[in-house]
Amino acid sequence: QKEVEQDPGPLSVPEGAIVSLNCTYSNSAFQYFMWYRQYSRKGPELLMYTYSSGNKEDGRFTAQVDKSSKYISLFIRDSQPSDSATYLCASRSYNTDKLIFGTGTRLQVFP
Amino acid sequence: DTAVSQTPKYLVTQMGNDKSIKCEQNLGHDTMYWYKQDSKKFLKIMFSYNNKELIINETVPNRFSPKSPDKAHLNLHINSLELGDSAVYFCASSQARVDNEQFFGPGTRLTVL
Repeated sequence: QKEVEQDPGPLSVPEGAIVSLNCTYSNSAFQYFMWYRQYSRKGPELLMYTYSSGNKEDGRFTAQVDKSSKYISLFIRDSQPSDSATYLCASRSYNTDKLIFGTGTRLQVFP
Repeated sequence: DTAVSQTPKYLVTQMGNDKSIKCEQNLGHDTMYWYKQDSKKFLKIMFSYNNKELIINETVPNRFSPKSPDKAHLNLHINSLELGDSAVYFCASSQARVDNEQFFGPGTRLTVL
């Protein structure tokens, strides 16, 4: 069992939809939770991160962590075709630089 | 003004050959990484270096040898290539050892025939 699990998708939605992307994790020591976006044939880039439980909002993106259920979510409001990419969640423990990635969810937003 | 660059972008080679991938970052970061991304998009760390010192060495076959000549460069040499080595290899860097934001290069797509 991988430490961070994601549904690989693909997830296909119309432009303007609200998208929900989810991950689960198994390691209780994880304290930091990240979402990286990876466009086709490019390297991942950090979208946002949260520390411990709670919500964080950045424009159309909201990251949510529920440590009690070990559940990580990313919500995208008013999705755009330019949001079409693979979204990778990642986690790490407090004092390590080792990021553990999920397998990524491929999102396609069609006009 | 590329932040993290890798060469080559594509590498096609025969089984048994030895090949190298080079990485350079111009961000002034202290820490650099090598990741392997398989065909299912699973991204797994292989090595990390901090100020030229090896920090993370995952259970990677010893055919893979990283080398960091200085803080801005991290190269990956692979001996006796096998079919299972086919993947996309990403170099990344971060400002400090414990950092949530890692900056990734464009990747090197390695195909072993």
